[in-house]
Amino acid sequence: QQQVKQSPQSLIVQKGGISIINCAYENTAFDYFPWYQQFPGKGPALLIAIRPDVSEKKEGRFTISFNKSAKQFSLHIMDSQPGDSATYFCAASTNLSTGKLIFGQGTTLQVKP
Amino acid sequence: DGGITQSPKYLFRKEGQNVTLSCEQNLNHDAMYWYRQDPGQGLRLIYYSQIVNDFQKGDIAEGYSVSREKKESFPLTVTSAQKNPTAFYLCASRLAATSTDTQYFGPGTRLTVL
Repeated sequence: QQQVKQSPQSLIVQKGGISIINCAYENTAFDYFPWYQQFPGKGPALLIAIRPDVSEKKEGRFTISFNKSAKQFSLHIMDSQPGDSATYFCAASTNLSTGKLIFGQGTTLQVKP
Repeated sequence: DGGITQSPKYLFRKEGQNVTLSCEQNLNHDAMYWYRQDPGQGLRLIYYSQIVNDFQKGDIAEGYSVSREKKESFPLTVTSAQKNPTAFYLCASRLAATSTDTQYFGPGTRLTVL
């Protein structure tokens, strides 16, 4: 019940296309859902995050869509660029006071020029 | 230049040896975390600390130990009891235990057991 399931494992998108990564969870106590971007050999960096009281959050080309009833959330990357090629992790947290995050398995995105 | 530093970047260990990975932050963050990353498995929490001189086990603490004697430092020791220690280790910190801030990660240490 503590798992976060992420799909697809890998994704290839043409430059200018839309990249979509999906995550699903079971624990309804999760109350914070961040997405992290990681380049090879580097630590993950926070990309965008959402709380379950909103259904969508947009920052530039990145949008999180959140479906509380379905217990799913997704990352949309509009106008995907080769520089977006990285591994993306969704995560969820049940307790902000400890900051413990449960991570999805990761999606490796390749944007072809 | 504020941030989280981890050293060394690459570490090689012989079987049966203990090794210590360094994590330092100058962000004045109270909480610090250690994760292990394996291909296709995401990040798994090893240990975390919300304040100095206190720490809790994460999901995969067996074979690891930590200390938190200073606010800015949270070293991780990989002991010989850890059966499969080859992995990428990530340290993270967070402003405060009650903060709504998220975790910020260091650049990682890649440990290889020979």
